[in-house]
Amino acid sequence: SQQGEEDPQALSIQEGENATMNCSYKTSINNLQWYRQNSGRGLVHLILIRSNEREKHSGRLRVTLDTSKKSSSLLITASRAADTASYFCSSGAGGTSYGKLTFGQGTILTVHP
Amino acid sequence: NAGVTQTPKFRVLKTGQSMTLLCAQDMNHEYMYWYRQDPGMGLRLIHYSVGEGTTAKGEVPDGYNVSRLKKQNFLLGLESAAPSQTSVYFCASSPPLGAKNIQYFGAGTRLSVL
Repeated sequence: SQQGEEDPQALSIQEGENATMNCSYKTSINNLQWYRQNSGRGLVHLILIRSNEREKHSGRLRVTLDTSKKSSSLLITASRAADTASYFCSSGAGGTSYGKLTFGQGTILTVHP
Repeated sequence: NAGVTQTPKFRVLKTGQSMTLLCAQDMNHEYMYWYRQDPGMGLRLIHYSVGEGTTAKGEVPDGYNVSRLKKQNFLLGLESAAPSQTSVYFCASSPPLGAKNIQYFGAGTRLSVL
């Protein structure tokens, strides 16, 4: 079964609007990462937040993590048409599971010019 | 910078045929992974390797074999392809140290099994 689940499955917005995607996970984590996938391409790492962090920023990206609720959110501010892609959250565990990531099903974001 | 390179990019097989997918990385990463991506299923881990000469099973290993004879290469084999193996296959690599197990992905191999 999938560790992470993204919500919504699809999101359609206008350029300039903000896009918020949510992710839930089931087991304890070492860190949570967000990746982006353009159509027909491989995944590209966007941002990593450690389990002891609550919020992290990178350019127009803002990620929050709530370990008590086992959830994370990715906010893309002032979206652009070029942000159109699928976004995946992935959770990383420590110990013997170090290095392995468990991916959610993704949120398909469409930004209309 | 090449990063992670997968070959071939596309392949069509008939049921029962065999093939090998090649993944090469030039970042000196210890860890390498093979995933498959199916519509609505996200990425599922097939096999992974934590170093040269080592491999381990992931979430969906049945029907696949892997080898890591050289640190930079990770091969995924299908001994007898089945239509259920029609998918997009992604290879990834990551460095082993610290908490930043960020993975770097190849562009994918699109495989159709008829």
